[in-house]
Amino acid sequence: DVKVTQSSRYLVKRTGEKVFLECVQDMDHENMFWYRQDPGLGLRLIYFSYDVKMKEKGDIPEGYSVSREKKERFSLILESASTNQTSMYLCASRPGRGVGVEQYFGPGTRLTVT
Amino acid sequence: QQPVQSPQAVILREGEDAVINCSSSKALYSVHWYRQKHGEAPVFLMILLKGGEQKGHEKISASFNEKKQQSSLYLTASQLSYSGTYFCGTDYGGYQKVTFGTGTKLQVIP
Repeated sequence: DVKVTQSSRYLVKRTGEKVFLECVQDMDHENMFWYRQDPGLGLRLIYFSYDVKMKEKGDIPEGYSVSREKKERFSLILESASTNQTSMYLCASRPGRGVGVEQYFGPGTRLTVT
Repeated sequence: QQPVQSPQAVILREGEDAVINCSSSKALYSVHWYRQKHGEAPVFLMILLKGGEQKGHEKISASFNEKKQQSSLYLTASQLSYSGTYFCGTDYGGYQKVTFGTGTKLQVIP
């Protein structure tokens, strides 16, 4: 059974803290993604990675960085958390270059920054 | 640039039909449809590729008009289990990046 797991379902952090969100997939997928989900704004892509140590900015990368040292793990880092980063964060993975392939999502991490 | 979905929200009675639209300002390579139930991860429904091919999933089908740069999701004889938020995702050039729309919240009531 295909699985994308995220380290926490709920997280509360203080403004200015460094925050790590971890995502692990067990499907040997090349591509991994981080989205944030906010009411009325849908799913917005923060960063994605198409191979180990390779990354590309998505639509809203400001305030975030990512790390992919191993194929199965993709981390999202908030260098200095701010209240406007309070959101639901979703990780996803997808097989490499192929037409018509689906993405698999993790359960999400609801981050609150106070 | 995010694709635009319409309507933003819709309430249906069981057995009624609904159409959700997804429009893009850029040429599309493929369109993905996902459904997310409250508190859960989005789940894949279907993918449509260039060529206007219509694909189905149970009583849910979709079309893709590449000329108009839009896709429509058709839900027929809706069931309570269809409730959730529907997202379209667009792929602009065969790359691995998928851009999702703002979502359409569908509620089916008895």
